[in-house]
Amino acid sequence: DQQVKQNSPSLSVQEGRISILNCDYTNSMFDYFLWYKKYPAEGPTFLISISSIKDKNEDGRFTVFLNKSAKHLSLHIVPSQPGDSAVYFCAASARRAAGNKLTFGGGTRVLVKP
Amino acid sequence: GAGVSQTPSNKVTEKGKYVELRCDPISGHTALYWYRQSLGQGPEFLIYFQGTGAADDSGLPNDRFFAVRPEGSVSTLKIQRTERGDSAVYLCASSSGQGRSTDTQYFGPGTRLTVL
Repeated sequence: DQQVKQNSPSLSVQEGRISILNCDYTNSMFDYFLWYKKYPAEGPTFLISISSIKDKNEDGRFTVFLNKSAKHLSLHIVPSQPGDSAVYFCAASARRAAGNKLTFGGGTRVLVKP
Repeated sequence: GAGVSQTPSNKVTEKGKYVELRCDPISGHTALYWYRQSLGQGPEFLIYFQGTGAADDSGLPNDRFFAVRPEGSVSTLKIQRTERGDSAVYLCASSSGQGRSTDTQYFGPGTRLTVL
C-alpha cells in the first residue's frame, strides 16, 4: 500500500504564476515531511521540509503547508520560473523509526512555460 | 565540498549475473542509505547503515540483495542472480547521522541498472 501519494503525475504552469503540488499520506506515525526536486540523470535534491508541530514553513519562493487532520501537505512555488521544471517528490519519515528512512510519493512532473 | 558519488553511472548485465554497485558518501557522514527507483515511481527504501552496521534492512526485497559498509564510509550494494525486475535506478544517500529527524539526506546521481 502506498503510504505517501502524489495524485497529480504532472503539472503545467506559466512562468510567473503559482505552482501548487499536493501530497497525501496515510501513516499517522509520520512526523516529518520533505520535498525533493529531481532533474533528469541527477539524484533528488532537498528543497524544503516541515515538522508535524508546524503547519507552514517558508523558504524564499517555496512554502510548504501541512494539514495534519487531513493528512495532507502541499508545496507552493511562487513565482514559478523555467528552472523549476523538474520532478518533485514528497517524502515522509517517522521520528521514532531507526535512521529516519524516507517514504516517497510517486512524484509530480512540473513544466514551467516561459 | 564533494557530494555523494556512485559508480558506475550505468550498468548493463544479463539475467542471472552478479553485480556490485558502489557508493561514496559525503566525508564525515555516518549514516548511509540505499534506495531503488523504478520507472515512473518514487524512490523506495532498501537499507540504512549507521557506521559499519546495517541498522535497518527491512526494505531489501529478498536474499539476493546484500549491502556492506566495512569501514563505515564506502558502501557496496550486491545483487546476486539478477532478474529483469531488478532493472531500476539505485540511489545512495548520506546524512550526518546525528539521529534527528531533521538530519537531511543528500543523494548521489544514482546507478542505472539494466538487466537484459
